[in-house]
Amino acid sequence: DGGITQSPKYLFRKEGQNVTLSCEQNLNHDAMYWYRQDPGQGLRLIYYSQIVNDFQKGDIAEGYSVSREKKESFPLTVTSAQKNPTAFYLCASSPGRSIRGGYTFGSGTRLTVV
Amino acid sequence: SQQGEEDPQALSIQEGENATMNCSYKTSINNLQWYRQNSGRGLVHLILIRSNEREKHSGRLRVTLDTSKKSSSLLITASRAADTASYFCATDEEYDMRFGAGTRLTVKP
Repeated sequence: DGGITQSPKYLFRKEGQNVTLSCEQNLNHDAMYWYRQDPGQGLRLIYYSQIVNDFQKGDIAEGYSVSREKKESFPLTVTSAQKNPTAFYLCASSPGRSIRGGYTFGSGTRLTVV
Repeated sequence: SQQGEEDPQALSIQEGENATMNCSYKTSINNLQWYRQNSGRGLVHLILIRSNEREKHSGRLRVTLDTSKKSSSLLITASRAADTASYFCATDEEYDMRFGAGTRLTVKP
């Protein structure tokens, strides 16, 4: 079955540590996105990528980094510069930015700072 | 920044009743989408309505769009306990979708 796989489901980070969240899709989608969700709030865009080897900052990119070396993969690194990283992180994909259809979401990664 | 704002923030109804959620937005859109999120999970796309459409149906879901008022509503008819979830509207902007904070729907058996 086609879909998006996020791993791990739960992640714990120590102060000052970098961690990487995985996002893999087998939908052959060109565009991929990372969102952050805090309790009682909507989704805020961190980064997006329209094509391999290209990505753009969203609204809250500070303290995060991404790469898009393969069409299927769009990992997100939460760096030590992100001062409040505890949140629920969601990865999504769509066929392409010019195609206005629904996004497909992964099941999310819950990151907690310990 | 958020574009869509859902109302109410929370809604509690009995099984079998209808649930109506509203979404207001600020700028012109090409389309508006509704998503559902079960607790601790990803979002699932429910329905998309284009700016030139006024109403759309999908099973027990009915979505309306009033571009003059910049608002949309999602109606779930004959609700079930399994409909308990958060529902988000999302509007397309130039580079990405903008999501509201959601309506938390609880359907009591």
